[in-house]
Amino acid sequence: QQPVQSPQAVILREGEDAVINCSSSKALYSVHWYRQKHGEAPVFLMILLKGGEQKGHEKISASFNEKKQQSSLYLTASQLSYSGTYFCGTDYAGNMLTFGGGTRLMVKP
Amino acid sequence: DARVTQTPRHKVTEMGQEVTMRCQPILGHNTVFWYRQTMMQGLELLAYFRNRAPLDDSGMPKDRFSAEMPDATLATLKIQPSEPRDSAVYFCASGLGTGTKFEQFFGPGTRLTVL
Repeated sequence: QQPVQSPQAVILREGEDAVINCSSSKALYSVHWYRQKHGEAPVFLMILLKGGEQKGHEKISASFNEKKQQSSLYLTASQLSYSGTYFCGTDYAGNMLTFGGGTRLMVKP
Repeated sequence: DARVTQTPRHKVTEMGQEVTMRCQPILGHNTVFWYRQTMMQGLELLAYFRNRAPLDDSGMPKDRFSAEMPDATLATLKIQPSEPRDSAVYFCASGLGTGTKFEQFFGPGTRLTVL
């Protein structure tokens, strides 16, 4: 089952903050976050594992609420380079990812 | 700078023709994924391999799609016969680890157009 991302799109000014949410109807083993710029391949941002372990970039933060089966990606002091589509990928059984529909983020000067 | 490579980058073909896409995973990676991306369906997993063995291909239309890893440096995705609804960007990704506790490195993709 595909996770649900919200919002579907967001427009920010440079320096503003944003939160992107990813919700699942099933218990999650892990949540992955990727960013994709137009015409390019998705690029890894972060993994959040059941139990609290995280792997990812220092400047990106995220949370994983196992009880609510939700994850949130926090983008603070946004830069123009943050623009792109953000995907969460959810793992239900410890073997493969199901990606959400994406959140399109545009950062304007 | 290790990268996943995919060929061809673009392919235009006519309905009914065979299409073969190739992927060279990052050297040393033990897991390879094939994804398809369209505006309507988003990013879908078609198949994946670990240590060259197919682990799951439930996302792939079996009647026309096939995926193989003839050796550790090459993964292939074949469509025969191709149909207009197969038009999409096909990504290959590779990673090192077990389960999903690892970063997936995506290749640049093959943009397929079936007329």
